[in-house]
Amino acid sequence: NAGVTQTPKFQVLKTGQSMTLQCAQDMNHEYMSWYRQDPGMGLRLIHYSVGAGITDQGEVPNGYNVSRSTTEDFPLRLLSAAPSQTSVYFCASSPPRGSALTFGAGSRLTVL
Amino acid sequence: AQKITQTQPGMFVQEKEAVTLDCTYDTSDQSYGLFWYKQPSSGEMIFLIYQGSYDEQNATEGRYSLNFQKARKSANLVISASQLGDSAMYFCAMREGRGGSNYKLTFGKGTLLTVNP
Repeated sequence: NAGVTQTPKFQVLKTGQSMTLQCAQDMNHEYMSWYRQDPGMGLRLIHYSVGAGITDQGEVPNGYNVSRSTTEDFPLRLLSAAPSQTSVYFCASSPPRGSALTFGAGSRLTVL
Repeated sequence: AQKITQTQPGMFVQEKEAVTLDCTYDTSDQSYGLFWYKQPSSGEMIFLIYQGSYDEQNATEGRYSLNFQKARKSANLVISASQLGDSAMYFCAMREGRGGSNYKLTFGKGTLLTVNP
């Protein structure tokens, strides 16, 4: 099992550019979520999904869009990147009950 | 107000000694869960241990134990017999509410543990 796979691992963008961070899991987990990690801030929830076709906002959703067309995939879109979105992004998944989150390896994004 | 507070930005411990990483939390829910994750310098997030608010026993997983004091709202991580590989950032996190919906966690700011030989 690959677990949770995030691509790309590193990305540099210019202000105003758009991009999509990809996240795929092969564990048939219903729940998926995106977090961002900034120095001294811990991880903060951006968006989450409890199943295909269902998404909702977390603590810091502004500037990000998500969709969940399949159980396996949960992409995170930045429509117009800003320097404040420079961060490390983690995708995570879990089954509905009991287990802790399984995290991807992270994607480091720099916006110039 | 912070929901998860980790007051120790950095901690040092000698190899083979025990160390306690502090975590206090704030919630009005009766049902909640507390997690500890380890983040080594390579960056991945590794789940260590979980404590549910209704669990009567403190959680243990190998060398990790969670000292859960509900009245004090604290969930400290104890690592026994520290190893050099334990050097990492440690995050305390909380899930509020019923249903085991562990996807929606609130994290503390972390404690950087350094194990000295």
